[in-house]
Amino acid sequence: GAVVSQHPSRVICKSGTSVKIECRSLDFQATTMFWYRQFPKQSLMLMATSNEGSKATYEQGVEKDKFLINHASLTLSTLTVTSAHPEDSSFYICSARVTGYMGAFFGQGTRLTVV
Amino acid sequence: GENVEQHPSTLSVQEGDSAVIKCTYSDSASNYFPWYKQELGKRPQLIIDIRSNVGEKKDQRIAVTLNKTAKHFSLHITETQPEDSAVYFCAAVPGTYKYIFGTGTRLKVLA
Repeated sequence: GAVVSQHPSRVICKSGTSVKIECRSLDFQATTMFWYRQFPKQSLMLMATSNEGSKATYEQGVEKDKFLINHASLTLSTLTVTSAHPEDSSFYICSARVTGYMGAFFGQGTRLTVV
Repeated sequence: GENVEQHPSTLSVQEGDSAVIKCTYSDSASNYFPWYKQELGKRPQLIIDIRSNVGEKKDQRIAVTLNKTAKHFSLHITETQPEDSAVYFCAAVPGTYKYIFGTGTRLKVLA
């Protein structure tokens, strides 16, 4: 099956700093990638839809200036959490869609801890 | 707005018994319904899916049923095993491919 690789798997950063998370499709081209946030024991909440070569579409309530998404190529999307605060601590996970297939393949997730 | 309700939130069954998890969706444009299994700290793994033109699909011990009229779909796991213990998420997907996930069900299979 299609493989989505997400890095880093864990990151600890200080308040006020920025953190970049990468999501790569290893063996297919992903025209669309999705970024989710998951709090402990809760569901996956869609943050934004990332389209290659165009601006991301953010869900209501998600600050686009705080969560910067770039999808510069068909195999890479990045999420940058800017000026991170402790409340941004969460599990962030990306998924990629394969053209012609409705299923989505998930990255392994990134656990962000802001101290 | 789009919403997927999932019940129960927790479910404990004895090993060998069956487990049923139910979801209800609101967006009538949804035409694809995957189920994911997520172990602690890991990525969700697709276990079974169904399209809107099919009423039931089975894969060994796992089956999914869909009632489009009622906007209900369910996951059935038979002969449960301890390794089935995990959190299960349903999702409803419209043509935009934007996954709307259910709230999750924590399944515990007791040995």
